[in-house]
Amino acid sequence: DIQMTQSPSSLSASVGDRVTITCRASHNITKYLNWYQQKPGRAPKALIYTTSNLQSGVPSRFKGIGSGTDFTLTISSLQPEDFATYYCQQSDRIPLTFGGGTRVDIK
Amino acid sequence: QVQLQESGPGLVKPSQTLSLTCTVSGGSVNSGPYYWSWIRQPAGKELQWIGRVYTSGTTRYNPSLESRVTISIDPSRNQFSLRLSAVTAADTAVYFCARMVIGGGGSFHWDYWGQGSLVTVSS
Repeated sequence: DIQMTQSPSSLSASVGDRVTITCRASHNITKYLNWYQQKPGRAPKALIYTTSNLQSGVPSRFKGIGSGTDFTLTISSLQPEDFATYYCQQSDRIPLTFGGGTRVDIK
Repeated sequence: QVQLQESGPGLVKPSQTLSLTCTVSGGSVNSGPYYWSWIRQPAGKELQWIGRVYTSGTTRYNPSLESRVTISIDPSRNQFSLRLSAVTAADTAVYFCARMVIGGGGSFHWDYWGQGSLVTVSS
């Protein structure tokens, strides 16, 4: 299985901060990396697919880059509604696997 | 607007079979290109992909669960279903159904999710 490692596992930030989350794959997944946002008691919501494509309706402050084994999700200016847990997920190989999540809390 | 809704028992006894159904509205399970998927999340833990089914009935499963999982699709009811046999406490989780978009160039991602259904395995 491809292991997905996210860092940090949690962070505290303020509204307006720039936030960066990293995701590392145990094998080369080329560009097949997706990002999801999950709020407590809710289903995950797609943010970015195939490394850098913004899901319809997602604000442009979310940006994804990377290739191979190393990827990042950046929120350029954190908004109150962005406090949540973020997961990366590889779609290169079965079984599809997720990272452990990064929880973004209010500082 | 596509909506997915899980349904099924919230409590299952150890060694028995967990059964959940996902009803799709606002779209058809016959439309494509989509895979219809099940994903689960134990409390406070990360997400785990269980498996998927295509409109044709073709399935792929997570090898760690493959011996116990069956996913099927019923276009006449616009539903797809999950069966997980021989459950233990480790199968206690919120179970999500979701639609996976088959994009160009081999990309896949889930764009619509159900709200999730908590299934507890306990005697």
